[in-house]
Amino acid sequence: EVQLEESGGGLVKPGGSLRLSCAASGFMFSSYSMNWVRQAPGKGLEWVSSISSGSSYIYYADSMKGRFTISRDNAKNSLYLQMNSLRAEDTAVYYCARTGRIAARPDGVWFDPWGQGTLVTVSS
Amino acid sequence: DIQMTQSPSSLSASVGDRVTISCRASQGISDYLAWYQQKPGKVPTLLISAASTLQSGVPSRFSGSGSGTDFTLTISSLQPEDVATYYCQKYNGAPFTFGPGTKVDIK
Repeated sequence: EVQLEESGGGLVKPGGSLRLSCAASGFMFSSYSMNWVRQAPGKGLEWVSSISSGSSYIYYADSMKGRFTISRDNAKNSLYLQMNSLRAEDTAVYYCARTGRIAARPDGVWFDPWGQGTLVTVSS
Repeated sequence: DIQMTQSPSSLSASVGDRVTISCRASQGISDYLAWYQQKPGKVPTLLISAASTLQSGVPSRFSGSGSGTDFTLTISSLQPEDVATYYCQKYNGAPFTFGPGTKVDIK
């Protein structure tokens, strides 16, 4: 069974940093592109970042560029999101999501499945 | 960047009704369009990929159509368990933008 488990969320002050992790199991992690999606309280889904299986292709939403860094460790079956210079508007549940099939890059592939999410709250 | 819009933003329908949700891309995206269902308090799940390919395990009352810029998600006979917010997403290339969502509930 494919499982994705996020961790690392919590309360952080504006301007602070946080590192999210996503532990993957039940599939060949090193073959799949991975993604982060967030959802602010009561709001819709917002794509954050994507990374190809070998980390050759990395994409960010414009509002996260320069502040967030996606990475992965295929030996540890783990995906990461380093978030710096956090703002109140970054408060959200952060989901990791696998791409739906094996491909050379994240482009052209839907997101499936999704993890349960981890809540990040940015507040003083 | 390509923008995704959905209409309506919410709807209320009776059990058994046919429900149609529209999704529009500001530029053509071929059939690189997915639909997700998010039930209240739950994680989003994939319903349809490639505009019209129903995922395994998804009830056949759900269907998707469209190509280019205009897409539709149809629930042929609304059931109580279909109460959810439905999102479309373009995935032809980054940014992998989601539509704003359509909230569906039972009248």
